[in-house]
Amino acid sequence: AQTVTQSQPEMSVQEAETVTLSCTYDTSESDYYLFWYKQPPSRQMILVIRQEAYKQQNATENRFSVNFQKAAKSFSLKISDSQLGDAAMYFCAYRSPYNNDMRFGAGTRLTVKP
Amino acid sequence: ETGVTQTPRHLVMGMTNKKSLKCEQHLGHNAMYWYKQSAKKPLELMFVYSLEERVENNSVPSRFSPECPNSSHLFLHLHTLQPEDSALYLCASSQERTGTRSYEQYFGPGTRLTVT
Repeated sequence: AQTVTQSQPEMSVQEAETVTLSCTYDTSESDYYLFWYKQPPSRQMILVIRQEAYKQQNATENRFSVNFQKAAKSFSLKISDSQLGDAAMYFCAYRSPYNNDMRFGAGTRLTVKP
Repeated sequence: ETGVTQTPRHLVMGMTNKKSLKCEQHLGHNAMYWYKQSAKKPLELMFVYSLEERVENNSVPSRFSPECPNSSHLFLHLHTLQPEDSALYLCASSQERTGTRSYEQYFGPGTRLTVT
């Protein structure tokens, strides 16, 4: 079964600085999808960015970008120009196209310091 | 209403009570999910309804019973719960098997359940 590991339980960043959150996963599949979700204190889980494994180009959404290293099974999230509203739990997730199972990491709590 | 909604947002129940959690998705999706989120643990997938078929996680105790009357509504019926069942219960939906190849799930705000 696929597993997702987030090795950083907590991270902090100064406002306007850049921070990178780490995620690794284990799979034997060649086709899959990876996601980063954000869960602010209000609890609504929000999709931040997604990456299809068959695409070599790293996904980017405004200030959010990923570094997808398929061979290393690594999927890190970079947040540029951090804002106070970025403070939240961030979850990395793996999805196989062959079933409905979405596997989540344990999460990284990001604190943004003014 | 837009997105995925859940009611109630907070629920306190005794171990002998029977209650139900409700989820509704307004996205036209064809799959719905129940997750359990406990402190310091990854999200645990409990149940999936996809294309009107139920995919059950066999490790979920029978005191949790899902119901999906149509593609927009999902319920989680609770009875004789234990204190360790206290958690945030999240509902999600997605669009499956239509060639869109996106597979992301959209979440509701959750129901904070406390079992006393």
